[in-house]
This record gives sequence, structure tokens and C-alpha cells, in this order.
Amino acid sequence: GESVGLHLPTLSVQEGDNSIINCAYSNSASDYFIWYKQESGKGPQFIIDIRSNMDKRQGQRVTVLLNKTVKHLSLQIAATQPGDSAVYFCAERDSSYKLIFGSGTRLLVRP
Amino acid sequence: GAGVSQTPSNKVTEKGKYVELRCDPISGHTALYWYRQSLGQGPEFLIYFQGTGAADDSGLPNDRFFAVRPEGSVSTLKIQRTERGDSAVYLCASSLGGLIDTQYFGPGTRLTVL
Repeated sequence: GESVGLHLPTLSVQEGDNSIINCAYSNSASDYFIWYKQESGKGPQFIIDIRSNMDKRQGQRVTVLLNKTVKHLSLQIAATQPGDSAVYFCAERDSSYKLIFGSGTRLLVRP
Repeated sequence: GAGVSQTPSNKVTEKGKYVELRCDPISGHTALYWYRQSLGQGPEFLIYFQGTGAADDSGLPNDRFFAVRPEGSVSTLKIQRTERGDSAVYLCASSLGGLIDTQYFGPGTRLTVL
């Protein structure tokens, strides 16, 4: 079936640097994409979303970029902090209500 | 305000037993979702409720799994004749009900089948 995947299972960055987490999706019918952050023992926490009619959206310290031509999604975190350490999932949705998640990228922030 | 809550937080059971997992959505949210997350994986969709009815149960793995939401608020996921492969974290999410309304997740119930 259609799936969402991530290129890098683990990303290690220095505190204060910018982080970029990538995601590839395969369902060309998907028109809505979301990034979630999941800390150990907790449920996924919404970070930011983007619709397919956009190619960029910014939040507080986070930016999501969407490239529909190559079916690629990225999450940029500015000035990464220790509290950003977590597993990050991208998810997609087509015309249905269910989210399809990738397998996640673990972000480790070095002090 | 209160988020999505799930009980119990942990459940250990023996193979073949019946279990019930409970989800209390955010007040006013008409849509409720169940997902299952295995270790090291992203959540996988199980079932979606709009109000009291199951609008999409295509993710339920087999007929041992069943979920209800009788009054359009609290939902219970029921698993009969549990198997070791059912061990996972079961996540519940709720949303206002629109197609692109954000799904807010609860902390999950960790189910371990011995």
C-alpha cells in the first residue's frame, strides 16, 4: 500500500545548530501533511502541518517545506535545543481521515 | 485544558485473555481515532469514529478487534483472545471532525501479552 518513509533513522546535532529532518511520501493523492514529535513514553505531539497547495509554512522555530515534484517533505528546526530531542514523524492524509505515518527519525541534541 | 486521556497506561495480560482499553477524547471533539504503534515504528491506523458510528474500520487487523463509542464521547477498544503479536502501544486521538482538523493524541496504553 501507499506509505510514508524517512531517509535518516537518527540525526545528531549540536545544540544551537539548525536541524533538518526529511521524509519521502509515495501517495500522489495525499494533499495534507503533518509533522509530529514524540517523546519517550508519550503520545505524538502536533508540530506543524501543510496543505498540498503550499510549498512552505513557518511556525515558531520550525519550517515545513513540501516539494510535490519529488514527493518530499522536510522539517527544519532553528536553533535546536535539548528539549527538541525526540522522535519525529511525518504523516500524510489523502481524501480519508486516517493518517499514514512513516517510521520516524530520532533527533539527538548534543550539549 | 484537558487533553486526550487513556486508561490504563499499562496493561499486562496473558495470551487468550480479553482486554478493554479506554479513551476519553477532548471535550467537544466529534472525531475519534485509534492507532497502534509497535516498537520503533510509526502509529498505524485502526479505526475512526465520527460521533457514535465507526466511519472507517479498515485498519482493524482481524475480527478479534472491536471498538465502540456508544454516546459519541468515550471509546473502548476491545481485543478478544489476545495474542503475543498484539503487544504494542495503543494510541487514541481526537479532532473537531473536519478533514484537516488536527488530530490530538493521548499518551497511549502499553499492552503486553505474555
